[in-house]
Amino acid sequence: GAVVSQHPSWVICKSGTSVKIECRSLDFQATTMFWYRQFPKQSLMLMATSNEGSKATYEQGVEKDKFLINHASLTLSTLTVTSAHPEDSSFYICSARDGVAGADTQYFGPGTRLTVL
Amino acid sequence: TQLLEQSPQFLSIQEGENLTVYCNSSSVFSSLQWYRQEPGEGPVLLVTVVTGGEVKKLKRLTFQFGDARKDSSLHITAAQPGDTGLYLCAGARYGQNFVFGPGTRLSVLP
Repeated sequence: GAVVSQHPSWVICKSGTSVKIECRSLDFQATTMFWYRQFPKQSLMLMATSNEGSKATYEQGVEKDKFLINHASLTLSTLTVTSAHPEDSSFYICSARDGVAGADTQYFGPGTRLTVL
Repeated sequence: TQLLEQSPQFLSIQEGENLTVYCNSSSVFSSLQWYRQEPGEGPVLLVTVVTGGEVKKLKRLTFQFGDARKDSSLHITAAQPGDTGLYLCAGARYGQNFVFGPGTRLSVLP
């Protein structure tokens, strides 16, 4: 199957700093990428949908100024958590939709664990 | 309120037992997917079902999509410790993104 990578796989930062997470589709072009957040022992909550070359669409309750999403190319989307606080500590997972394979085909990255001290 | 409900939330069984987990909604979905997620990793797609009444098999796993396309089940035969994980269903209404259920956490004891 298609491969989606995330970098870094884990990050620890101080409160108030900004953290950037990268999501790459390695062997296909992703017209759409999704960012999810998952708290311990909970399901995935969609944060935003990003389409290449356009502004991301954020889910209700997700602050767009705090979670900056850039989808500059068909293989790369980034999520920047600005002025991170301990409550932002979570497991962040991206997925990428393969534009060729069909609308229902999305592949998940391995996730990034963010810990804010 | 959750668009998708999953039951049971937790399940702990012995190796070799059979089990069924359920995914239910009051909404009709154009497609429904099942994923398995292991701790510290992203979800891995197991199957996609799109037709009401559809049954798909993946080795010891049998997936069924309800006739009305509102619910689905996952049956595992002769569970193995390697089946341990979080099982997530995700449904999409036509033209919309997938929404995930809360998951069923399965533990298969050797």
